[in-house]
Amino acid sequence: AQSVSQHNHHVILSEAASLELGCNYSYGGTVNLFWYVQYPGQHLQLLLKYFSGDPLVKGIKGFEAEFIKSKFSFNLRKPSVQWSDTAEYFCAGILTGGGNKLTFGTGTQLKVEL
Amino acid sequence: NAGVTQTPKFRVLKTGQSMTLLCAQDMNHEYMYWYRQDPGMGLRLIHYSVGEGTTAKGEVPDGYNVSRLKKQNFLLGLESAAPSQTSVYFCASSYSNRVRVDGYTFGSGTRLTVV
Repeated sequence: AQSVSQHNHHVILSEAASLELGCNYSYGGTVNLFWYVQYPGQHLQLLLKYFSGDPLVKGIKGFEAEFIKSKFSFNLRKPSVQWSDTAEYFCAGILTGGGNKLTFGTGTQLKVEL
Repeated sequence: NAGVTQTPKFRVLKTGQSMTLLCAQDMNHEYMYWYRQDPGMGLRLIHYSVGEGTTAKGEVPDGYNVSRLKKQNFLLGLESAAPSQTSVYFCASSYSNRVRVDGYTFGSGTRLTVV
């Protein structure tokens, strides 16, 4: 089965540190990839998405992600995190053969310390 | 514009009780989905619907039923609740021709505890 995997389950950073969260997907052809963020007690919100074109996509709140097809990866980055970035981050994809349904990774809990 | 609204927000059930979770969207989305979120497991698809009157099973459908009698509503039912169904349930919706571009719009979730 097609899948999306996130290998960092818990990440703790100090404010101003750089962030990179890993996301890999299983190969299957065309993919559409997304990063969602879930702040404590809230619903999932879209951070950014890759549909086609420029593999470096920029999202809200200073986040960006790079689609590297040869590595089946879509890692999320931010140069300098803030305490308010504390949240859970989900990578998700619409994968070939999966219809129009999002397959989610298991999530990465990010804690930013002052 | 309310987006996706889920009711109730919290519920505690006793084992064996039944209940229905309601999801309503006002964006005229064709597709609707029910996911459950459990620690360390991400979001797993329970059931989904690609249009009024149609439903389909997702990854973890056992113990749940759904109905989509109206385009704007997607109901998730638990006929006989079990402790393993303690979870946070999220509803989502999307346009049929935009899901690959826009992804989903999510509701705020229902936190269900079965004791």
